[in-house]
Amino acid sequence: DAGVIQSPRHEVTEMGQEVTLRCKPISGHNSLFWYRQTMMRGLELLIYFNNNVPIDDSGMPEDRFSAKMPNASFSTLKIQPSEPRDSAVYFCASSLSGGDETQYFGPGTRLLVL
Amino acid sequence: KNQVEQSPQSLIILEGKNCTLQCNYTVSPFSNLRWYKQDTGRGPVSLTIMTFSENTKSNGRYTATLDADTKQSSLHITASQLSDSASYICVVSNQAGTALIFGKGTTLSVSS
Repeated sequence: DAGVIQSPRHEVTEMGQEVTLRCKPISGHNSLFWYRQTMMRGLELLIYFNNNVPIDDSGMPEDRFSAKMPNASFSTLKIQPSEPRDSAVYFCASSLSGGDETQYFGPGTRLLVL
Repeated sequence: KNQVEQSPQSLIILEGKNCTLQCNYTVSPFSNLRWYKQDTGRGPVSLTIMTFSENTKSNGRYTATLDADTKQSSLHITASQLSDSASYICVVSNQAGTALIFGKGTTLSVSS
């Protein structure tokens, strides 16, 4: 299995631009998580899907952030408009279920907003 | 307020030595506690998951302990190797694995 796949691996954009991050979870996993990691705040859970349905989006910082999961093999995290404080590493993770199952993380997307 | 505090913030040890990382939490109710290892530039990798009833769990040279009464956990690394250099993150869940509270991590450097 290729593991969780994220794209792009690196993204540099200017303030105000739209940014779309993509994630392909491990085949057969029913739960998908989006995280953000910064030096100041560490890892933060943004949103969690189970069976393609958003279960908990309380970690989404603002309305500028949105996430979708149109099918079991694909999810996007969109930031519109982007701001310099959105600069971070964004991780996608998947697990068999949303309970106590191990989460498998992707390699992350390093976002820099100028 | 649900919090997870890790100590030390960073640690440098010689190859072959043992070390112990600490995690204290105030999360309630408690579901499980996880330790992750994160190499530089990569995503976290799960080392252990412990539920309320488990006191210790091992994964090779890594041994995690949990004291649910004092709300403390430790991660002990035996006979450290250069490849153990990484950030170790403690994560506590207050529901069935969905509400996760992360520690800031301990950065371990193993030198030869």
